Amino acid sequence: DAKTTQPNSMESNEEEPVHLPCNHSTISGTDYIHWYRQLPSQGPEYVIHGLTSNVNNRMASLAIAEDRKSSTLILHRATLRDAAVYYCILRGFTSGTYKYIFGTGTRLKVLA
Amino acid sequence: AAGVIQSPRHLIKEKRETATLKCYPIPRHDTVYWYQQGPGQDPQFLISFYEKMQSDKGSIPDRFSAQQFSDYHSELNMSSLELGDSALYFCASSQPQGPYNEQFFGPGTRLTVL
Repeated sequence: DAKTTQPNSMESNEEEPVHLPCNHSTISGTDYIHWYRQLPSQGPEYVIHGLTSNVNNRMASLAIAEDRKSSTLILHRATLRDAAVYYCILRGFTSGTYKYIFGTGTRLKVLA
Repeated sequence: AAGVIQSPRHLIKEKRETATLKCYPIPRHDTVYWYQQGPGQDPQFLISFYEKMQSDKGSIPDRFSAQQFSDYHSELNMSSLELGDSALYFCASSQPQGPYNEQFFGPGTRLTVL
């Protein structure tokens, strides 16, 4: 399974943009890049996903490097409610299913 | 919008007892995944079902079994419970398989084994 590498933790001030990096140098051509976040004692929540092009939705933006070996999740204005563990996951077809292999994720702390 | 439903939300069992966790996927989602998240750990994939057939198996102990029923709900059966089974168990569902279809996670069942 392709692996991702993320910083263990990051801090941001409220109302400022946050850039969460993810390295995935072994990504295959058919792997999608998914981002999830998990608030304490809650199930992971979908944030955004992409394949090659940058993507925007109401929650965030996803910037994907041209060689696809890295990506960055961008929260345009961090709020206290964005404090969570953010997971970058590669999703491809492995062993009969499109399961998620979670890495260690980045714990985002938002300072008021 | 309908979400994934898991029951019970909390469960306390003694060692060597059995437990059954239930998952009701979002309507028209035919794929169900089970994950286990120990204290301070990241979610670990256990098992998945597609159209009522097991599609993949991860780090699921032999003491655990699961199935998906005709109405697409799924049950995770856990026997001979051990202290180390204490964890949050998440169920997720998705539309027909594809790498672009996101999984929708339920709120989880917190299992405590005493």
